[in-house]
Amino acid sequence: KAGVTQTPRYLIKTRGQQVTLSCSPISGHRSVSWYQQTPGQGLQFLFEYFSETQRNKGNFPGRFSGRQFSNSRSEMNVSTLELGDSALYLCASSLGTSSVYEQYFGPGTRLTVT
Amino acid sequence: ELKVEQNPLFLSMQEGKNYTIYCNYSTTSDRLYWYRQDPGKSLESLFVLLSNGAVKQEGRLMASLDTKARLSTLHITAAVHDLSATYFCAVDMQGAQKLVFGQGTRLTINP
Repeated sequence: KAGVTQTPRYLIKTRGQQVTLSCSPISGHRSVSWYQQTPGQGLQFLFEYFSETQRNKGNFPGRFSGRQFSNSRSEMNVSTLELGDSALYLCASSLGTSSVYEQYFGPGTRLTVT
Repeated sequence: ELKVEQNPLFLSMQEGKNYTIYCNYSTTSDRLYWYRQDPGKSLESLFVLLSNGAVKQEGRLMASLDTKARLSTLHITAAVHDLSATYFCAVDMQGAQKLVFGQGTRLTINP
């Protein structure tokens, strides 16, 4: 069974631009969560999508948004990029939205903002 | 607000020694996870601890959970260089797919 895939794996953007990251969950998984990892703030929850609906949201500004498609694939978008958005963005998939289901993490997208 | 604290944050040890990483969390939670992360890589799941008194072991790593004390430990036995990595504990918000992570413990094992 294929694992969680994320594209692109590496990305360099300029301040003020916007970026879209993609996550394909494990087949059969319907919940996708996104996390940001930075040296200063550590690993922080961004949001979770299940059945094309945002179920939970972390404490991030509105520049961070996401969506989920009917095939459970998810995208996250960051608009008006800032230097502080440079991070490793991890997505995780699980069978369902309840915490009884373990999350499986993808390889991450490394975003560098210059 | 759920908070998760690990200590120590940095640990340098010699091969063959034993040590313990501690993970404290502030509110009741359904389960506790331990992950390993190598530099530039994603998170590798090590253990999922579901109930009070749970103990799981894999090779030289053993994790335990005390829900009354809101404390989990990751014990390393007879460390080897290959265990050098950053270790995170994480706790889920009750009922939700939202993990709150500790700061991570950067473990370096010297020959």
